Amino acid sequence: QVQLAQSGAEMKKPGSSVKVSCKASGGSFSRYAFSWVRQAPGQGLEWVGRIVPVFGTTHYAQRMQGRVNIIADEFTSTVYMELSSLQSEDTAVYFCARSGMTTVTHEHWGQGTLVTVSS
Amino acid sequence: QPVLTQSPSVSAAPGQTVSISCSGNSSNVGNYHVSWYQQFPGTAPKLLIYDDYKRPSGIPDRFSGSKSGTSATLDITGLQNGDEAEYYCGTWDSDLSVGLFGGGTQLTVL
Repeated sequence: QVQLAQSGAEMKKPGSSVKVSCKASGGSFSRYAFSWVRQAPGQGLEWVGRIVPVFGTTHYAQRMQGRVNIIADEFTSTVYMELSSLQSEDTAVYFCARSGMTTVTHEHWGQGTLVTVSS
Repeated sequence: QPVLTQSPSVSAAPGQTVSISCSGNSSNVGNYHVSWYQQFPGTAPKLLIYDDYKRPSGIPDRFSGSKSGTSATLDITGLQNGDEAEYYCGTWDSDLSVGLFGGGTQLTVL
């Protein structure tokens, strides 16, 4: 079955960067797209960005453009999200999600990674 | 600030029916398929409806989706206590080339 296994919780200082991983299993990695979605404490879902690994194409939320980078390693079936210049407002649970290459239906989700930004 | 508008909350008694709406515009809901997700506290969202009205395997037919123009609706019939959760709509925006979620609707089963 499909599993998206994310890396563990992170505690970061303001101004630093964080890199969260999402290892996919079950199904051909190159046939799908992967998105990152975050959820601040007590808040709703916020789409962060998306990558289609077979094409290497990426799209990012406008408010995070320039601070976020999503890459994919097809050899290890792992997607990474790196967020820089962290601020307290970036404190959130970050989820990875898999969809079809031409759809934005998030069919499968990772367990989430809590990133806490605090001095 | 969510671009897709959902009512913050809805409530009904067990056995009743609720409708949760999701309003967008011609570059998102009006142009792309809508999905619906169910989320319980402390857990990842779960896909309930995709392509406006289709149900993934294992989702009861008590959950149904529809879309008309720039608005989509999730209907839940025969409400159960276990349906109490947050519900989100999601789609893509062709003008902005970004994914979108609604602000979420908290369903309370009275």
